[in-house]
Amino acid sequence: DTEVTQTPKHLVMGMTNKKSLKCEQHMGHRAMYWYKQKAKKPPELMFVYSYEKLSINESVPSRFSPECPNSSLLNLHLHALQPEDSALYLCASSQDDLLTYGYTFGSGTRLTVV
Amino acid sequence: DQQVKQNSPSLSVQEGRISILNCDYTNSMFDYFLWYKKYPAEGPTFLISISSIKDKNEDGRFTVFLNKSAKHLSLHIVPSQPGDSAVYFCAASGAGNTGKLIFGQGTTLQVKP
Repeated sequence: DTEVTQTPKHLVMGMTNKKSLKCEQHMGHRAMYWYKQKAKKPPELMFVYSYEKLSINESVPSRFSPECPNSSLLNLHLHALQPEDSALYLCASSQDDLLTYGYTFGSGTRLTVV
Repeated sequence: DQQVKQNSPSLSVQEGRISILNCDYTNSMFDYFLWYKKYPAEGPTFLISISSIKDKNEDGRFTVFLNKSAKHLSLHIVPSQPGDSAVYFCAASGAGNTGKLIFGQGTTLQVKP
């Protein structure tokens, strides 16, 4: 298995909702990432987990809450989002936080906040 | 402050010819560079990387060149194929290599049959 699987592929949520994005990989990778990509912009790093511990938080608002239950799973819990949070959310993984082989990205979750 | 820049939003080449995609960076602490390709509705796919201790890395049709003094790198695709049509992102990571990548804005490559 050489994939990173993200669910759901599309999500529409209201500003008062609570939802979660899920990411799974079975490549034995020990680093996992959340990126956010707005239209016609590059991906921007949100969080890095290395060996299941949060190693980087890029000053992301607390309405985004990451969780790494085990080495194969990464969640992003969403609460009280704003319309400007609408974006493509990409999960990625790598063998570790060295980047010799780059990241493997999932296909993303297209999030719309209404 | 855009630390990684791809100044050409788009590039169009004929099938079989060379495609050259360019990337400039401002942070001299970057020591590892990667290129990704992205199709619509898919996540970016890793193509090729280069360490700052090298000036060239080749993998099949893809070659990346690094000019540290100019803080410039380029991706050459030879020969270009219609299936190469996608958005190409240049990315860089800094000293300490904590896994963080900083991406350029992307260049949309169109290869015409």
